[in-house]
Amino acid sequence: QVQLQQWGAGLLKPSETLSLTCAVYGGSFSGYYWSWIRQPPGKGLEWIGEINHSGSTNYNPSLKSRVTISVDTSKNQFSLKLSSVTAADTAVYYCARGRGVVVPAASSRWFDPWGQGTLVTVSS
Amino acid sequence: QSALTQPASVSGSPGQSITISCTGTSSDVGGYNYVSWYQQHPGKAPKLMIYDVSKRPSGVSNRFSGSKSGNTASLTISGLQAEDEADYYCSSYTSSSTKVFGGGTKLTVL
Repeated sequence: QVQLQQWGAGLLKPSETLSLTCAVYGGSFSGYYWSWIRQPPGKGLEWIGEINHSGSTNYNPSLKSRVTISVDTSKNQFSLKLSSVTAADTAVYYCARGRGVVVPAASSRWFDPWGQGTLVTVSS
Repeated sequence: QSALTQPASVSGSPGQSITISCTGTSSDVGGYNYVSWYQQHPGKAPKLMIYDVSKRPSGVSNRFSGSKSGNTASLTISGLQAEDEADYYCSSYTSSSTKVFGGGTKLTVL
């Protein structure tokens, strides 16, 4: 059964770059899209973006200018970088496997499973 | 892209049925049968409950069902149980090859 384990810095100062990595264990890495999703404290979920094993990406238009998602297929890992963070980027960040590939759009339809979540706080 | 619209809260007594709505546009919910639903207990990661509008993953109780009409999708939980008390989120694929979530609905089992 596939499991996702994520890690990264939990406390950042404004203007720094958020960096998180998610490792995939126990399942195939190819054939899926791998997503990042965040949830500000007490608020709802926001999709950040996704990547597949060959590096094809889709991003949330509202975050696209600051987001980079990359993949390391040799380690079955994918990563998130979010630049120029502010307090508004404080959230629990989740990685998730995207399933149900949409053809030919090259995207996914649902998320399962999810990582355990990482709280990232932006504060001076 | 705007968040899908869900009621902030719903409630029901044990044994009853409740329905949570999720309203979008023709560019997301109405345009594709690609709506999914997630259950989130406090401090936990979301869990997939329904995908592709009405399909249930293995292991999810058949008390959970999904449907769609026009730009509105719905999640129905029948035979409410105390353990169903959680936040529920809908999500849809969009015409821009992105995903959008609803604002979330807090379910209280009275």
